[in-house]
Amino acid sequence: DAGVIQSPRHEVTEMGQEVTLRCKLISGHNSLFWYRQTMMRGLELLIYFNNNVPIDDSGMPEDRFSAKMPNASFSTLKIQPSEPRDSAVYFCASSLPSGTRNEQFFGPGTRLTVL
Amino acid sequence: TQLLEQSPQFLSIQEGENLTVYCNSSSVFSSLQWYRQEPGEGPVLLVTVVTGGEVKKLKRLTFQFGDARKDSSLHITAAQPGDTGLYLCAGGGYQKVTFGTGTKLQVIP
Repeated sequence: DAGVIQSPRHEVTEMGQEVTLRCKLISGHNSLFWYRQTMMRGLELLIYFNNNVPIDDSGMPEDRFSAKMPNASFSTLKIQPSEPRDSAVYFCASSLPSGTRNEQFFGPGTRLTVL
Repeated sequence: TQLLEQSPQFLSIQEGENLTVYCNSSSVFSSLQWYRQEPGEGPVLLVTVVTGGEVKKLKRLTFQFGDARKDSSLHITAAQPGDTGLYLCAGGGYQKVTFGTGTKLQVIP
């Protein structure tokens, strides 16, 4: 089975441009999590979905960030307009319905650099 | 907000040494996971503990969940260079987890 797939793996863009990050879940998983990782702040949860429905977006930094899950296997995270402080590694992770065990499977990440 | 503090933040040891990493919180968690992350990759799940006092072993790694389910430890015996990485604990609640601050381990051959 393929794991969580993210694209692109690396993205370099200029301030003000729109950035779209993509994630494909593991087949059969129904929860999807978007994280951001930086040296200063560690791994931060941005938003998570359960059965395609956004459950908690309190970690989304501001209105420039938006996430969608148009179907059970795919999600996008969009930043518009991007800023240099958005530079980070963005991970998505998926999990099975498991009550409180919450074992998550991470993708390889997208390294975003905003110049 | 549930916070998970890990210590030490950084650890550099020689191959063959033993080490313990700690994960502490003031909150009670229904489960706790440990992940290892290597450079350029996403975190990979090592273990989940769910019962207070539970001990799990994974080859040279021993994981313990505190009796009150607020803390955990990871002990590595005879560390190998392949153990190098960022170790993250994650406390589970309903549907989502809170990740710890991380311990960066370097094992020198």
